[in-house]
Amino acid sequence: GAGVSQSPSNKVTEKGKDVELRCDPISGHTALYWYRQRLGQGLEFLIYFQGNSAPDKSGLPSDRFSAERTGESVSTLTIQRTQQEDSAVYLCASSRLLAGGRYTQYFGPGTRLTVL
Amino acid sequence: GNSVTQMEGPVTLSEEAFLTINCTYTATGYPSLFWYVQYPGEGLQLLLKATKADDKGSNKGFEATYRKETTSFHLEKGSVQVSDSAVYFCALSSSGNQFYFGTGTSLTVIP
Repeated sequence: GAGVSQSPSNKVTEKGKDVELRCDPISGHTALYWYRQRLGQGLEFLIYFQGNSAPDKSGLPSDRFSAERTGESVSTLTIQRTQQEDSAVYLCASSRLLAGGRYTQYFGPGTRLTVL
Repeated sequence: GNSVTQMEGPVTLSEEAFLTINCTYTATGYPSLFWYVQYPGEGLQLLLKATKADDKGSNKGFEATYRKETTSFHLEKGSVQVSDSAVYFCALSSSGNQFYFGTGTSLTVIP
């Protein structure tokens, strides 16, 4: 079946511009996550959506970052007034419920953002 | 709180060598544990998982056992191949569906 998809795969923008990154989770996955991965580093949690609950925004690095999700479908991560330090790969993941009440997480291919 | 600590890399091994990448965790409750792999230029892929103590996850010759007494989930493979060169991430999922990742360990296997 279809996996998590993200678009665009690459985005080059100028400092100060706004960018919008899109994530299409696996159908039926109730949870959706955004992470940032800077070059050669680990995953940095940004935001987490679970169904219709209020999102966990504790990882967003500044008020220039925001994200929305419509129900249990598409999510959009918006970065306003981009800075060079925003350059990274932005990963989206969705998760499903395993037997026994556990979750597992599936990642999209990421969007590579370069801010010039 | 919840956190994952994994062995720092980079790790360089010869083909057919034995691999261990250490991972320890701190968690409230009873987490599920995961290893993810990221091949060069690709996204993260789930490699294996274990959902309760003493479970062994396995895939593609890799294994990891959920050790509650030592709070560990070390990744092992008996004979690595060049194609195993990648970055490996240990992760845990706590109650509430939150995920916590280690910083990743880069593995390079040379012929």
